[in-house]
Amino acid sequence: AAGVIQSPRHLIKEKRETATLKCYPIPRHDTVYWYQQGPGQDPQFLISFYEKMQSDKGSIPDRFSAQQFSDYHSELNMSSLELGDSALYFCASSLGGGGDTQYFGPGTRLTVL
Amino acid sequence: AQSVTQLGSHVSVSEGALVLLRCNYSSSVPPYLFWYVQYPNQGLQLLLKYTSAATLVKGINGFEAEFKKSETSFHLTKPSAHMSDAAEYFCAVNDRGSTLGRLYFGRGTQLTVWP
Repeated sequence: AAGVIQSPRHLIKEKRETATLKCYPIPRHDTVYWYQQGPGQDPQFLISFYEKMQSDKGSIPDRFSAQQFSDYHSELNMSSLELGDSALYFCASSLGGGGDTQYFGPGTRLTVL
Repeated sequence: AQSVTQLGSHVSVSEGALVLLRCNYSSSVPPYLFWYVQYPNQGLQLLLKYTSAATLVKGINGFEAEFKKSETSFHLTKPSAHMSDAAEYFCAVNDRGSTLGRLYFGRGTQLTVWP
């Protein structure tokens, strides 16, 4: 069965650079969630989209932005990167919002030097 | 907001022993509850979920969890641990009354299985 695809899997950036993370949800899933997992931490919700509209917003820095496109893939744009942004970024998708099961991608490991 | 408490950041068991990973939630309304497993350098894989009146939920790899409203708990168990069960396990909740869907995760429990 098709799963959530994230690219790139690994990304190394310098401080103050920008990064773009991509997420391709499971086919026919209309909702995408982004989570950030710092070293040794639990995943923290950043932002979500339902039918290409932002549906919820969590602890996402103003330096970050995201959108969901017409084909339902999503991109997380991160600017003015800081050392503390080094983390594993997960994308999850579901069919509909609410309590529907979220299926997670393998994550993008971002390292900021 | 929802919150999840996982008691014990590290649990060690011998192969073949019972696995018990604890999860308590705080909510005035029983939420949707999930257990995810994360192997090193991998994403989160759904083990099982509770979304209905069936209080005992069976998942993959022989795991099961029991929802106890009176104790606000959703502990994960497996009768006999296998070496391949060594991983980090996260309990997560979603507000049943919300259409937003964000998951609130516990801090995780690292399971070690000794031969």
